[in-house]
Amino acid sequence: KAGVTQTPRYLIKTRGQQVTLSCSPISGHRSVSWYQQTPGQGLQFLFEYFSETQRNKGNFPGRFSGRQFSNSRSEMNVSTLELGDSALYLCASSLEGSAYLSSYNSPLHFGNGTRLTVT
Amino acid sequence: TQLLEQSPQFLSIQEGENLTVYCNSSSVFSSLQWYRQEPGEGPVLLVTVVTGGEVKKLKRLTFQFGDARKDSSLHITAAQPGDTGLYLCAGSPYNQFYFGTGTSLTVIP
Repeated sequence: KAGVTQTPRYLIKTRGQQVTLSCSPISGHRSVSWYQQTPGQGLQFLFEYFSETQRNKGNFPGRFSGRQFSNSRSEMNVSTLELGDSALYLCASSLEGSAYLSSYNSPLHFGNGTRLTVT
Repeated sequence: TQLLEQSPQFLSIQEGENLTVYCNSSSVFSSLQWYRQEPGEGPVLLVTVVTGGEVKKLKRLTFQFGDARKDSSLHITAAQPGDTGLYLCAGSPYNQFYFGTGTSLTVIP
């Protein structure tokens, strides 16, 4: 069974540009969530999509957005990039999503992330 | 202030030593999870603890959930270089999944 795939692995952008990151979940998983990981703030929740609908959103500005397609693949977009957006962006898939994240039957499976550097 | 505080933040020990990592919160969790993340990879789930006071063992790793379900600990016996990584506790008291501040463990051969 293929794992969670994130593309690209590395990305370098300049301030003011926008970027789109992609995540392909494990087959059959309907929930995809996104996280930002930085040395200072650790792993922070961005948003979660379930069956093409955004179900939860973390405390990030509106420059961060996402969507999910009918095949459960998800994209996240960051517009007007700032230096502070440099981070590892991780996506995770699960069967049922946030309501069952602590369930034995619906653990999170993470991709290896996209390392975004903003210069 | 983070919802889940871990201590210590960094830990460097010799192979064969024992260690304990703590995860504390002022919130009650229905369950807590522990993940390990290695450089260049995403976190991988190690265990889920559900019942207050529960103890789970995974080879040399022992996980405990506090009686009040506000804290958890991870104890590693006879640490090995392969245990090196970032250890994260995580839980979902609301409709979000929160990760702890993390403990970076280095086991020196």
